[in-house]
This record gives sequence, C-alpha cells and structure tokens, in this order.
Amino acid sequence: DAKTTQPPSMDCAEGRAANLPCNHSTISGNEYVYWYRQIHSQGPQYIIHGLKNNETNEMASLIITEDRKSSTLILPHATLRDTAVYYCIVNYGGSQGNLIFGKGTKLSVKP
Amino acid sequence: GAVVSQHPSRVICKSGTSVKIECRSLDFQATTMFWYRQFPKQSLMLMATSNEGSKATYEQGVEKDKFLINHASLTLSTLTVTSAHPEDSSFYICSARDPSRKNTEAFFGQGTRLTVV
Repeated sequence: DAKTTQPPSMDCAEGRAANLPCNHSTISGNEYVYWYRQIHSQGPQYIIHGLKNNETNEMASLIITEDRKSSTLILPHATLRDTAVYYCIVNYGGSQGNLIFGKGTKLSVKP
Repeated sequence: GAVVSQHPSRVICKSGTSVKIECRSLDFQATTMFWYRQFPKQSLMLMATSNEGSKATYEQGVEKDKFLINHASLTLSTLTVTSAHPEDSSFYICSARDPSRKNTEAFFGQGTRLTVV
C-alpha cells in the first residue's frame, strides 16, 4: 500500500503557484520523498525528490517539514501544460526498490 | 539524461493471441526493471520485478504464466501477455533506475496501450 495521502484533486489558475500537499506520517528515517506526474496516456515523469532539506530544480520546489511527516510540491508559475496527476511517493531510493503509487492529486490548471 | 524506452506505444490484438512489449534502458545498464499496469482512471499497479539473469518476481494476484517476463540483457526486459483477453486491455508501463547512481529517480517508459479485441 502507498504510504502517502494526497487530496484527490486541486485547481490552480494559470500563472499562479500550485501548492500540492502530501502526508507521509509513517516515513522512515532513510526514505526519500519523490514526486512524479503523469499526463494523460503517458508514462510518469520525474519532478523532484528530497530527504530532509528543501529542494529546488527547474521544474519545482519541494518543501519537507522538519518532522518529515509531510511535504509540499510547489509549481511556481503553473501553465496549462502542468495539468496532470501528481504522485507523491516515499522510497529508499535504491536501484532495487520499486515505487508504490497512491491515487495522486489531479491538478487542473485553468486559464 | 538516462532514458527508458518502451515499444510499441500502442497495440491492438485479437483475443487468444500473444503480445510482446519491450522495455529498454538507453543510457545505463539496469539489473532490475519494474512492470506496471494502469487501468482507466486508476493509479499504476506494480505487476512484477524483472531481474537480469534470473526469474522475475510477481506481485500477488499476477499470473506469472500469463505475463511472461524475460530480462536477458542489462538493457532489455520484455513482457509478453499470453493468450490475451479483453480484460487484459490496459496501459502497461516499465521503469528502471540507474544502479550506478545512488538515491536517484526512477525513469519510466512511455507506456504501451494494449487493446484486445
């Protein structure tokens, strides 16, 4: 079973920041938080991952709470192309480890 | 960056026939690959773990004789859906990680849309 809880859906206005929350209260000390998204009929696309510290890349920022029991993915300036299902996954990060997907959050970016 | 490629992207087959789906790691050698299945409006469900040079590990409820997995090289895993039926129609996706890089992301193929008629 997935170890994360996400809201089933969210709306965001184009050009505004999209903040997607994720709860992972049972995360282990050496498990990472990964975020992926899936645009309709495509394979999942990696966005970002982190262990303890906040992370930022060209796509998004990841804010992890100090107790690591929750995190927030931030898309700073959402576009219509960011409409997708966003998955938050906790994982050890090793090459042998599969990713267990929950139901994710369906983000709809509206003009 | 590392890429995982799947082929074909879309296939239609008749009931009772078999279909082979290929998953290749293009930039790295993958000792382990993962196969997922996704039904409409549902999340990805792990079917099996493909291990190079050894037998695949199947998740509970997945029939190993129906979904044959072969991982004959470090860059190629294949999933064969044998004696396909309409209920096997689904979106099949593979993934792999680069074992030479620690704590890295998993890369996913483009997915294969299988329609059994």
